[in-house]
Amino acid sequence: NAGVTQTPKFQVLKTGQSMTLQCAQDMNHEYMSWYRQDPGMGLRLIHYSVGAGITDQGEVPNGYNVSRSTTEDFPLRLLSAAPSQTSVYFCASSGQRNQETQYFGPGTRLLVL
Amino acid sequence: GQQLNQSPQSMFIQEGEDVSMNCTSSSIFNTWLWYKQEPGEGPVLLIALYKAGELTSNGRLTAQFGITRKDSFLNISASIPSDVGIYFCRLNTNAGKSTFGDGTTLTVKP
Repeated sequence: NAGVTQTPKFQVLKTGQSMTLQCAQDMNHEYMSWYRQDPGMGLRLIHYSVGAGITDQGEVPNGYNVSRSTTEDFPLRLLSAAPSQTSVYFCASSGQRNQETQYFGPGTRLLVL
Repeated sequence: GQQLNQSPQSMFIQEGEDVSMNCTSSSIFNTWLWYKQEPGEGPVLLIALYKAGELTSNGRLTAQFGITRKDSFLNISASIPSDVGIYFCRLNTNAGKSTFGDGTTLTVKP
């Protein structure tokens, strides 16, 4: 039981490049979310999913796409990276709608030059 | 939208000292959560509070949901070096949305 896993741990991109941040969970959780964390700030919700095939926008969705083809995986895509997307990205999953049951992954550090 | 203020921003304390941090909001909320984040890791839930006035402990940690439902504090007693990290408060609403505080960075000197 690995919980929530994220890959890669660290990535450097050039402005305009695209990439996909991977997130997987093995707890059969319906709810999955992506957050970004900037220095000195709390986590902000980018996109979330309440089940396979269902996604919705969070607080800061611009510049990011998501899909949820399976219960286990919830990838986050940056279509054209910008320096403003330099951040630490956290994926989380929960078996219930309430956030207090969320498990967070270890994060992906992204640097956009 | 609602404003959430967490203070202090950072604390440098000696091992064995007690620590107190708090969060205040501009609106009333139904659930307060407190998390700890260690370097290179995601946040981990410490304590969840659901009722105004509720006081909950988790080992050396104690948190309270303010009577006005607009504030909460987290206390750590007899701090130890492994308490180092960033502590976040988080508010949940009935609509399933939430807001994180900006965090309190705790440094404990042995």
